[in-house]
Amino acid sequence: SQTIHQWPATLVQPVGSPLSLECTVEGTSNPNLYWYRQAAGRGLQLLFYSVGIGQISSEVPQNLSASRPQDRQFILSSKKLLLSDSGFYLCAWSRQGSYEQYFGPGTRLTVT
Amino acid sequence: QKEVEQDPGPLSVPEGAIVSLNCTYSNSAFQYFMWYRQYSRKGPELLMYTYSSGNKEDGRFTAQVDKSSKYISLFIRDSQPSDSATYLCAPGKGGATNKLIFGTGTLLAVQP
Repeated sequence: SQTIHQWPATLVQPVGSPLSLECTVEGTSNPNLYWYRQAAGRGLQLLFYSVGIGQISSEVPQNLSASRPQDRQFILSSKKLLLSDSGFYLCAWSRQGSYEQYFGPGTRLTVT
Repeated sequence: QKEVEQDPGPLSVPEGAIVSLNCTYSNSAFQYFMWYRQYSRKGPELLMYTYSSGNKEDGRFTAQVDKSSKYISLFIRDSQPSDSATYLCAPGKGGATNKLIFGTGTLLAVQP
């Protein structure tokens, strides 16, 4: 069976500090990978998606970036965090050609 | 106009009630329609989905799509306190990336 992991689960970071969130998927190969942000009272906003190693597409211009160094690893980064970066960050995966996206447990980020 | 509109609730019902959760969308290119359930501080879990118009039933849950009116519904029969969660609709257009557009979610509380 497939499993998706995210860490850390919770993070409190000061404004201007760097960020690195990691997502890994087990039990499948060549998945589509997605990063979403969920702000309080708002829906899930797609930030980045990847259809393969090194292939990243950005949905929303911002101070975040994503990388996919390995087939089942997806990383979300920032060089300098803003207060507005606070939120619940979710990673998801889907099989190539499938409509079904499966989410990880999420990382709750608070920027102070 | 948002691509997907969903009443945020909260919706409070007594145990055993039939619940109707609804979304409207504006993009006629959407082909498949997902429903996710999200418990507090957890990642969303895929509940069910339909492709094109019509109904789909899975146990106590029925998903319904009316493409002519761009209206999506999820019905829950014999609601249980364990159904208390936020329900997110998420239509998608298909294609290589299978991107989904999420509604803001409806918070449901089933009172015992």
